[in-house]
Amino acid sequence: AQSVAQPEDQVNVAEGNPLTVKCTYSVSGNPYLFWYVQYPNRGLQFLLKYITGDNLVKGSYGFEAEFNKSQTSFHLKKPSALVSDSALYFCAVFLLRGNSGYSTLTFGKGTMLLVSP
Amino acid sequence: GAGVSQSPRYKVAKRGQDVALRCDPISGHVSLFWYQQALGQGPEFLTYFQNEAQLDKSGLPSDRFFAERPEGSVSTLKIQRTQQEDSAVYLCASSYGAPNTIYFGEGSWLTVV
Repeated sequence: AQSVAQPEDQVNVAEGNPLTVKCTYSVSGNPYLFWYVQYPNRGLQFLLKYITGDNLVKGSYGFEAEFNKSQTSFHLKKPSALVSDSALYFCAVFLLRGNSGYSTLTFGKGTMLLVSP
Repeated sequence: GAGVSQSPRYKVAKRGQDVALRCDPISGHVSLFWYQQALGQGPEFLTYFQNEAQLDKSGLPSDRFFAERPEGSVSTLKIQRTQQEDSAVYLCASSYGAPNTIYFGEGSWLTVV
């Protein structure tokens, strides 16, 4: 079955340290992968996406993600975490819906990132 | 507009009451989506429009849920005879179409008491 998974409910990191939030996927064909961030009581904000091209994708707020086809992963990374990065992060993938011929975003369950001062 | 706009931001409904949630997508976006997000969970797909056509409503939890986009712009999600399990954030999103980026509104927070 096609799916997207975030294996960690929560990631803790100290400010200034590098951070990684993991995402794996299972899709047929070429995946279209996205990361979104959600701050408390807010909607989802787009961070970055991979459609095609370079495996390392750079996005907003200093975040980047590496597409790894052999490991079917799309981990979110940042070289130096900030306390203000603390939020809920969602990985998402476009999945074909049945026989409809179109795709919609399917989300992982989310990973809470907590950056301590 | 500059972004996806949703109203009301917060709604408290008594059980059995009908509610209507409005979404104003980004101008020119042909695709419009509704998602439901329970507390601490990822968004779950409800329904999808391409212009005024509702192409998929398979995610709607029951026949109490109804969505429309009559002129291919503003959309309304209606929930009839609300129940406590309907309490969630309802997110509207729009895009130019897959695989373009989908942009989300701030959500409508529904609490059914």
